[in-house]
This record gives sequence, C-alpha cells and structure tokens, in this order.
Amino acid sequence: DIQMTQSPSTLSASVGDRVTITCRASQSISNYLAWYQQKPGEAPKLLIYKASSLESGVPSRFSGSGSGTEFTLTISSLQPDDFATYYCQQYNSYSFTFGPGTKVDIK
Amino acid sequence: EVQLVESGGGLVKPGGSLRLSCAASGFTFSSYSMNWVRQAPGKGLEWVSSISSRSSYIFYADSVKGRFTLSRDNAKNSLYLQMNSLRAEDTAVYYCARDRDYYDSSYNDWGQGTLVTVSS
Repeated sequence: DIQMTQSPSTLSASVGDRVTITCRASQSISNYLAWYQQKPGEAPKLLIYKASSLESGVPSRFSGSGSGTEFTLTISSLQPDDFATYYCQQYNSYSFTFGPGTKVDIK
Repeated sequence: EVQLVESGGGLVKPGGSLRLSCAASGFTFSSYSMNWVRQAPGKGLEWVSSISSRSSYIFYADSVKGRFTLSRDNAKNSLYLQMNSLRAEDTAVYYCARDRDYYDSSYNDWGQGTLVTVSS
C-alpha cells in the first residue's frame, strides 16, 4: 500500500499569512492527489483534486502543486475561516490512503 | 442538490454486527462510484471501502477485509456497509462519500456521518 505523510503536523499562523503544507507519497502517484479541509464536527470538504485543480466554489487563495511523490497545498493569505485540519489523499491505487493531517491553528 | 444521508450507526458489542446505509439523492446514483471513509474519535481519516457504479469492482482496506461487505442498490439509490465481527478499533464516525465524477475519484460530496461505537 502507498503511505502518505504530511508536514508539519501542526502549524500556527496568523490571519494574512502565506501557509504551505507538504504531502509526500511512498511511491509515485502521478497527479492523483486530493486535498480536503475538515473543521471539528463536520465532514471533510474537497479543496483540490488532481493535485492542482481547484474544486468549484473553493476560494482562489487555495492552490495545489506537485506530481509524483511530493505535493503542496498553499493558502496565499490565511483567513479566519481557514483554521482547520487539512488532509491529503492519494487515489492512484487502492487503498486510497489519507495523510495523517495538518492542523492549522491561530498563532 | 446532492444529499448523502447515513444511518444505522449505534452501540454494538465486540463481535457483533451492524449495517450502515447511505441514502443518496440529487444526482444519478447509478452513474457514480461510492465510498465509505471513517474517522476514529480524535483521529484522522481512514478510507474503508469503494464500489464502482455497477458493483463490478469493490475494494476494501486491509483493516476491514473479510469482515465488512459493501453493496449498493441502484434502484433504491442506496449504499450499504455490512459490518461483522466488529472490534473496538472499528469505533468511528463513518462517512459515505461520492466520487467527483467518472474520471476522478476524489470525493466532492460527503454525508454528515454516522457514529459506530463498539464496546462491551
């Protein structure tokens, strides 16, 4: 199975900061990577699919990049609504593993 | 509007069984692959199982293989997860999720989740 790692596990930031989260796969997954945002008590929300495609309705301050084994999620200017946990997920081959998550909290 | 509504969660003893359902509406259910994802209390997301639109392909996580059975009824717009031989580590919120489209298996629609608690 493909293993996914994320760094950092926790990130403290302020409103307006540029934030970058890294996701790494244990083997190449081409560009079959998604990013999700989850807030406490809520279901996850898709932000980015195919590594860099912005899901409809998601603010343009979110962007994704990467291919192969290394990927990044960038929030260009952190907003109050963005404090949440972010997960990457590979869907190149089953099992469709998630990363362990990155919690973005208020500095 | 896409709606996915899970039901069937609850408290069950170790070794017991439970059947989760996911009722879908607002889209052509028979055209989409469907999935279950779970989240143990305070933990991250774990992919559980996926089924193709016509049930031709079904995949399971190693942690549930041989104990869980995924099925769907396209006539009833419903997805089912039969869970047998339940263990304490199966305790989680179980989410039903839809593939984004035929060409992309990210999950763009999720239900609100149903809690399964395995405890004596």
